[in-house]
Amino acid sequence: AQSVAQPEDQVNVAEGNPLTVKCTYSVSGNPYLFWYVQYPNRGLQFLLKYITGDNLVKGSYGFEAEFNKSQTSFHLKKPSALVSDSALYFCAVREGGYSTLTFGKGTMLLVSP
Amino acid sequence: DVKVTQSSRYLVKRTGEKVFLECVQDMDHENMFWYRQDPGLGLRLIYFSYDVKMKEKGDIPEGYSVSREKKERFSLILESASTNQTSMYLCASSLYGTGRQETQYFGPGTRLLVL
Repeated sequence: AQSVAQPEDQVNVAEGNPLTVKCTYSVSGNPYLFWYVQYPNRGLQFLLKYITGDNLVKGSYGFEAEFNKSQTSFHLKKPSALVSDSALYFCAVREGGYSTLTFGKGTMLLVSP
Repeated sequence: DVKVTQSSRYLVKRTGEKVFLECVQDMDHENMFWYRQDPGLGLRLIYFSYDVKMKEKGDIPEGYSVSREKKERFSLILESASTNQTSMYLCASSLYGTGRQETQYFGPGTRLLVL
């Protein structure tokens, strides 16, 4: 069975500082990994995904994520946080082969001015 | 741009009522999904559909049913609403890709309150 863990319910960071939102996964085959962001009272917006190839994936709004197979992690990063990045972030995983996405419980990112 | 729309943003219903949540996508996607989102639980899959008239149970199908009569439309039905079905409901759609790399695109959500 596939699963994903987001160990932090909330991450606080000051504007201009780098941010990291953590995600670890468990699958029996090759993972397909996704990050989504949710702004208040909105649906989820796709940020980026890892399918294969380069371990560093770049996505929307300056975000990037690093796939680490040995640590089964896919942490979301941004070099310089903005107040407007404050939102709820979800990591999701799917095993290679046709199957559904499993989402983490979400991490609230709060960027202070 | 992919557009997924949901019929209502907010809905208030009484216990025992039959509730219909509608979702429409305009990108000819084969796959459609219904999730519910609850604080501390993340997103949980209720039902999904790979094609017209096809449906598959997700992780929490109890108390729900679905209908997909047209490719662009996927309906979630609460046969007899209960207070524990108060939640945010999210619809999503995706292509069926041979690379199985489909990205799911989400609607804005329907916040349902059952009294």
